[in-house]
Amino acid sequence: EVQLVESGGGLVKPGGSLRLSCTASGFTFNTYSMYWVRQAPGKGLEWVSSTSSGSDYIFYADSVKGRFTISRDNAKNSMFLQMNSLRAEDTAVYYCARDYFRVPKELYYYMDVWGKGTTVTVSS
Amino acid sequence: QSALTQPASVSGSPGQSITISCTGTSSDVGDYNRVSWYQQPPGTAPRLIIYEVTNRPSGVPDRFSGSKSGNTASLTISGLQAEDEADYYCSSYTRSSTPVFGGGTKVTVL
Repeated sequence: EVQLVESGGGLVKPGGSLRLSCTASGFTFNTYSMYWVRQAPGKGLEWVSSTSSGSDYIFYADSVKGRFTISRDNAKNSMFLQMNSLRAEDTAVYYCARDYFRVPKELYYYMDVWGKGTTVTVSS
Repeated sequence: QSALTQPASVSGSPGQSITISCTGTSSDVGDYNRVSWYQQPPGTAPRLIIYEVTNRPSGVPDRFSGSKSGNTASLTISGLQAEDEADYYCSSYTRSSTPVFGGGTKVTVL
């Protein structure tokens, strides 16, 4: 079964850090571009960051640039999101998602497989 | 990058057709045929239902169809069913090589 499972969420104080993980199974992880998308409580979807299959291309939303770092370990079928200098407005459910197409060094942003999400709460 | 503009809510009776619009700019929707649509029932993760403006992934009913004209993309649900009640989001590729989502539309089946 194709599956993504996020972990690492929790309650953190403003200015703190968290590292989210996304573990993939059921597909050839190292051939897909991967994404982080978040959803604040009662709000819409917001793209956070992207990495191509070989980490050649990495992008960040302006709202997290300089604070968040995306990475992946293809040998461990895992993707990560290191989140530093967290703010209240980073409070959200964080989803990892897979691209629909498998094209090296290309990001189509058609997200066909999603995890269930992990909740990050930034509050004092 | 500003969010794409969607109506906050759309409603219809079972069996009717509804259309959700998604308006962007010449830097995203108008410049690329990389528009996708997602369905998100309450408390669940989003589900891809349309990619590349008009294409449906395997398993998505053909009641769902997509189109685009200029800077506006549209999702039409024909033969509306109770199970279609959910939030719907559009997304487009942009000139920044990043995506932008719409604000979401709540579909209510009356």
